[in-house]
Amino acid sequence: DVKVTQSSRYLVKRTGEKVFLECVQDMDHENMFWYRQDPGLGLRLIYFSYDVKMKEKGDIPEGYSVSREKKERFSLILESASTNQTSMYLCASSFLTSSYNSPLHFGNGTRLTVT
Amino acid sequence: AQSVTQLDSHVSVSEGTPVLLRCNYSSSYSPSLFWYVQHPNKGLQLLLKYTSAATLVKGINGFEAEFKKSETSFHLTKPSAHMSDAAEYFCVVSPTTDSWGKLQFGAGTQVVVTP
Repeated sequence: DVKVTQSSRYLVKRTGEKVFLECVQDMDHENMFWYRQDPGLGLRLIYFSYDVKMKEKGDIPEGYSVSREKKERFSLILESASTNQTSMYLCASSFLTSSYNSPLHFGNGTRLTVT
Repeated sequence: AQSVTQLDSHVSVSEGTPVLLRCNYSSSYSPSLFWYVQHPNKGLQLLLKYTSAATLVKGINGFEAEFKKSETSFHLTKPSAHMSDAAEYFCVVSPTTDSWGKLQFGAGTQVVVTP
């Protein structure tokens, strides 16, 4: 079974702090994604990566950056956390081949609260 | 452009009765369509996917969905609800001629199953 592991289940940070969310997958997937989940809005894509050191902006990249130094690890960075970034963050991965219908495998999420 | 609308934010059913979750989509291309399920405190799990083969798609846990191009719908059904079906369900559309980064998630339908 594919395993996508997010390093923290819950995080509480202060406004202005730099925040790192880590995600590791064990299936050698090329694609990795960071989503934000808010009630009534579904999932919104922040950033994705299709290869090491490659990244593409999603629908809501403002206030975020990402890093992918190794194939199995994809980090989401909040440069200066703000209260409107309080949310559930979900990491996902998938194979690159048959890209448009390759299912996503999700981690269990990190619930971030910014005070 | 593409979008997906889940017509019900909440659905309540009795155990043993049918479940219907409604999803309409719009897409400039022939889309791929997915249903994902999210149980409490978990990531999303793929239930089923449609990728232009058979219009009636069978998934895990007894769920199935029918692709109706004329109605631009992809409704999810299950003949008999089980208590373990209580979860949030997401309809997802992906264009077949664009990248996987363009997945659009619906806002979700929360399913409650009563004994």
